Amino acid sequence: GAGVSQSPSNKVTEKGKDVELRCDPISGHTALYWYRQSLGQGLEFLIYFQGNSAPDKSGLPSDRFSAERTGGSVSTLTIQRTQQEDSAVYLCASSLQSGQANYGYTFGSGTRLTVV
Amino acid sequence: AQTVTQSQPEMSVQEAETVTLSCTYDTSESDYYLFWYKQPPSRQMILVIRQEAYKQQNATENRFSVNFQKAAKSFSLKISDSQLGDAAMYFCALVGSQGNLIFGKGTKLSVKP
Repeated sequence: GAGVSQSPSNKVTEKGKDVELRCDPISGHTALYWYRQSLGQGLEFLIYFQGNSAPDKSGLPSDRFSAERTGGSVSTLTIQRTQQEDSAVYLCASSLQSGQANYGYTFGSGTRLTVV
Repeated sequence: AQTVTQSQPEMSVQEAETVTLSCTYDTSESDYYLFWYKQPPSRQMILVIRQEAYKQQNATENRFSVNFQKAAKSFSLKISDSQLGDAAMYFCALVGSQGNLIFGKGTKLSVKP
C-alpha cells in the first residue's frame, strides 16, 4: 500500500481479555517495528522483524505480549490477559531493510488501546 | 547503552518567531543517524529532518535546521518563522543497534498567534 496501515484505530477492551493489533507495512518493506507510546511518554521499542524473523524479543514488556509476521508482510501484535497498564498507543513502522537507516522509516497512525 | 534525552517537556513560541528544541544522546557508534520527528494530535509520526553523523554540515529542510555537535553529542532543532501548524510533539531519535529508533521523551511545542 501507499502507507503503513494499522487496525483498529481505537480499541477498548475489558481487563483480562486478549487483543490483536494489526500492522500492514508498505509493500516491499522487509523491516517492521512495533513501539508502545504511553500517555505523555516517548516511544518504547518493543520488537522488530526482518522478513518473518524477530531476532530479539527482549523488548516485549512481559510474556503476555507476542508478535508474529507472516509472508513478510502483515504483522500482528497480541496482548493476552490485558491489564490497565497496557493502555497506550501502539505504533508500527516499516523500512526498506533493517539496519539501513538511510532508507528511512514510515509510521502508521497507531492503535489506541484502552483497557477498562 | 544508547540513550536520547530531551530536557524540555514543553516549549512555547510566538508565531513567526524562532524556537530551538534541545536533544542530547549517547552512543558508542562512530557513524549513526539522528532524526527529528513531529507528532501532531493525529498520532502520525512525520519525519522533520535527518542527519548522518559523519557529515559535518548541518542538515536543513526549509524552515527546519539542526545544530549537530558530534563531540558534545548534541542535536538541537531550530524552527524558523514558526507557524500555527508547527504545534505538535517533537521527538529526537537515534538509530539503535537493531536498526530500531531510540526516542527521547519528546517536547510539546505550542505556537501562539
